Amino acid sequence: DQQVKQNSPSLSVQEGRISILNCDYTNSMFDYFLWYKKYPAEGPTFLISISSIKDKNEDGRFTVFLNKSAKHLSLHIVPSQPGDSAVYFCAASVTFNKFYFGSGTKLNVKP
Amino acid sequence: IAGITQAPTSQILAAGRRMTLRCTQDMRHNAMYWYRQDLGLGLRLIHYSNTAGTTGKGEVPDGYSVSRANTDDFPLTLASAVPSQTSVYFCASSVARNQPQHFGDGTRLSIL
Repeated sequence: DQQVKQNSPSLSVQEGRISILNCDYTNSMFDYFLWYKKYPAEGPTFLISISSIKDKNEDGRFTVFLNKSAKHLSLHIVPSQPGDSAVYFCAASVTFNKFYFGSGTKLNVKP
Repeated sequence: IAGITQAPTSQILAAGRRMTLRCTQDMRHNAMYWYRQDLGLGLRLIHYSNTAGTTGKGEVPDGYSVSRANTDDFPLTLASAVPSQTSVYFCASSVARNQPQHFGDGTRLSIL
């Protein structure tokens, strides 16, 4: 059974608007969370991370929010750009041991 | 350019054959990982190595073996390939296990 779930396989957003990608997890012991972006025929690239001691981490247009009580993670992209079109994976680990990935959400940002 | 090199980029293999996927990194990263990506399942960890000389089992290790003789290389071997091992395989590395991972571009493997 998957411990990290991304229930939306795809998301379409207009350029300039906000993109919100969601991730849910079941293991309450997870204490480190990451988001990766993947373009076709390339490996995933690291985007942003958050430790369980925080509830928000910001890096430029990208912000990750963590709601531990709901076991929910979200990535906000503001403003969205066509170059952001990619598959986004969330991942989680317990004290940096094995990393568990979600199934990914394909974001399409329309010009 | 520093990074991770995976070889081959793609391969079609008959069931029952032995296959080694190669992974080399030139970033002197301590930790290395092998994942498989399947539609609807995301990336699943096969094996990992926190430092040269050590390896560990991930989420889906059965049918695969790895070795870590030095810092740079982390080959993944399928001793006797089966069709369910058809997948895209990604190698990754990180400075340490508590750091984000850098991924190679993947090997697309088809077992017939």
